[in-house]
Amino acid sequence: DTAVSQTPKYLVTQMGNDKSIKCEQNLGHDTMYWYKQDSKKFLKIMFSYNNKELIINETVPNRFSPKSPDKAHLNLHINSLELGDSAVYFCASSHVDRGNTIYFGEGSWLTVV
Amino acid sequence: AQSVTQLDSHVSVSEGTPVLLRCNYSSSYSPSLFWYVQHPNKGLQLLLKYTSAATLVKGINGFEAEFKKSETSFHLTKPSAHMSDAAEYFCVVSDGRGGGFKTIFGAGTRLFVKA
Repeated sequence: DTAVSQTPKYLVTQMGNDKSIKCEQNLGHDTMYWYKQDSKKFLKIMFSYNNKELIINETVPNRFSPKSPDKAHLNLHINSLELGDSAVYFCASSHVDRGNTIYFGEGSWLTVV
Repeated sequence: AQSVTQLDSHVSVSEGTPVLLRCNYSSSYSPSLFWYVQHPNKGLQLLLKYTSAATLVKGINGFEAEFKKSETSFHLTKPSAHMSDAAEYFCVVSDGRGGGFKTIFGAGTRLFVKA
């Protein structure tokens, strides 16, 4: 069983489009995240979300928005895609009672053309 | 405030020789420290973690790291490199309360393994 799964793995789309990346975790964790990894492998946290609190990295454009239908899912919506949005997006999760270790999905490679 | 510095952006070793990936950190709290590995086109996999128990931590695939508070270091080592170890390695510090915004990733060290 995949602990943190995200789809699609690869996505190529045109500028101006709106797209979503889905994420599910089956670990029973209370917190989920979205990270962006740029071409230099630098990881930047975008959002942290549990059922009580959404924390947004203030550097993230408001074209990006997380949507959580339930504790096990945190989807990422991106509006009006730009070339600079091309990156790898990682979903992750952790749990306060389990050492707060962060577990990552396999990543979604987004290319905006 | 927390920070983490991976002292080498690239490390190259020959197969069968030791691996040393260096990491220094700073933290206002008693930190938790982690190493993650990322193989090409893959997600980040946890190698090992330190959470105030034994200072020498053993991880998967023969890796280990030693927490040295006096040196604020958490270097990753392996006695004998294997070709499959070629990947990007991330040192991570968390202030113990954890959570994404309290967890800082280093810039990464790319490990090359030569045959």
